[in-house]
Amino acid sequence: GDSVTQTEGPVTVSESESLIINCTYSATSIAYPNLFWYVRYPGEGLQLLLKVITAGQKGSSRGFEATYNKETTSFHLQKASVQESDSAVYYCALAPSNYNVLYFGSGTKLTVEP
Amino acid sequence: AQTIHQWPVAEIKAVGSPLSLGCTIKGKSSPNLYWYWQATGGTLQQLFYSITVGQVESVVQLNLSASRPKDDQFILSTEKLLLSHSGFYLCAWSLVGEADYTFGSGTRLLVI
Repeated sequence: GDSVTQTEGPVTVSESESLIINCTYSATSIAYPNLFWYVRYPGEGLQLLLKVITAGQKGSSRGFEATYNKETTSFHLQKASVQESDSAVYYCALAPSNYNVLYFGSGTKLTVEP
Repeated sequence: AQTIHQWPVAEIKAVGSPLSLGCTIKGKSSPNLYWYWQATGGTLQQLFYSITVGQVESVVQLNLSASRPKDDQFILSTEKLLLSHSGFYLCAWSLVGEADYTFGSGTRLLVI
């Protein structure tokens, strides 16, 4: 079936350090699924951070980037310099062909220390 | 602007009792609607989706049912709760043919 595997949390980094949260996917229903990163900040609802629907493309938002790599079936989330306000739970997600189902990874809790 | 409202915010229910969770979307006509569930420490799992009034598809079987009685309303229910139903329930909507989901703030359920 379709699934997503991401970095097991929690992850703690210091402010201004770089960050990478790994995400790999398995898609059996479609060759090139849509890929997403969602984020839940403390006290807030789950919201879309970025998405990429075309293999080889990069998505970006709020200083975060993720590149859709079909060779390695990966969609890692990266940021060059994190801030305390980036502390949140990050979820990688995959949408197969019909877009009516969205598969989430287990979530990675990120804590950025001052 | 579109808004999504879930109710109740939290519930404590006894095993074997009935449950009804609601979700209303305002400002968007004929959206796709979804129910998700997350056990404590677990992964978000999609339970149901609906693309039109009166039509609901099951994704994961959890002894729960869902209905869409109106275009803007999505209900999750069961007649007999199990301990395993505890967790966090999220409703979401998207435009037809798109996978950008907008989530509600969720309902936290504890079954005792």
